Amino acid sequence: EAGVTQSPTHLIKTRGQQATLRCSPISGHTSVYWYQQALGLGLQFLLWYDEGEERNRGNFPPRFSGRQFPNYSSELNVNALELEDSALYLCASSLRPSNTEAFFGQGTRLTVV
Amino acid sequence: AQTVTQSQPEMSVQEAETVTLSCTYDTSESDYYLFWYKQPPSRQMILVIRQEAYKQQNATENRFSVNFQKAAKSFSLKISDSQLGDAAMYFCAYNQGGSEKLVFGKGTKLTVNP
Repeated sequence: EAGVTQSPTHLIKTRGQQATLRCSPISGHTSVYWYQQALGLGLQFLLWYDEGEERNRGNFPPRFSGRQFPNYSSELNVNALELEDSALYLCASSLRPSNTEAFFGQGTRLTVV
Repeated sequence: AQTVTQSQPEMSVQEAETVTLSCTYDTSESDYYLFWYKQPPSRQMILVIRQEAYKQQNATENRFSVNFQKAAKSFSLKISDSQLGDAAMYFCAYNQGGSEKLVFGKGTKLTVNP
């Protein structure tokens, strides 16, 4: 069974541009979570999608947004990129909307120059 | 707000020895879960062990075990018979009552010396 897959693996963008990151959950999982892992800051909760709806978001500005598609895959969009957005973005999925059994992907390394 | 603190930015251990990673957390809730995740250079977060707060018995997974001290809000990870493949960043995490959010500590980098 395939795990959580994220694409692209690496992404380099210029300040002010937009970045789109993609996540495919484990088959049958309906909940998708996004986390930002900036250097030295640990993982910060970004967004939670379940059944196609945004259910909760962390303490991030509105230029961080996303969506979940009917097949439960998800997209994270970051607009007006800033240098401090450079980080590893991790996606996780779970069978139920409960993060006690979340499985993570390998992340997308976003570098803003 | 819940917080998770890992006071050891880096730890090292000799192969085949035992090492303990520390974690403390702050919460006023009674229903919660605690986790240890491992992040090797491949970057994928791998669940090592999970503890439900209502269970008094410490969780164990092969060479990995925890010392859960609920009153002290402490949740340490013991790795026995350390192997070179155990080298990674280890993150302690908290989840309140099955909610959607995991709160992570800043991690401990474990080095295993041959």
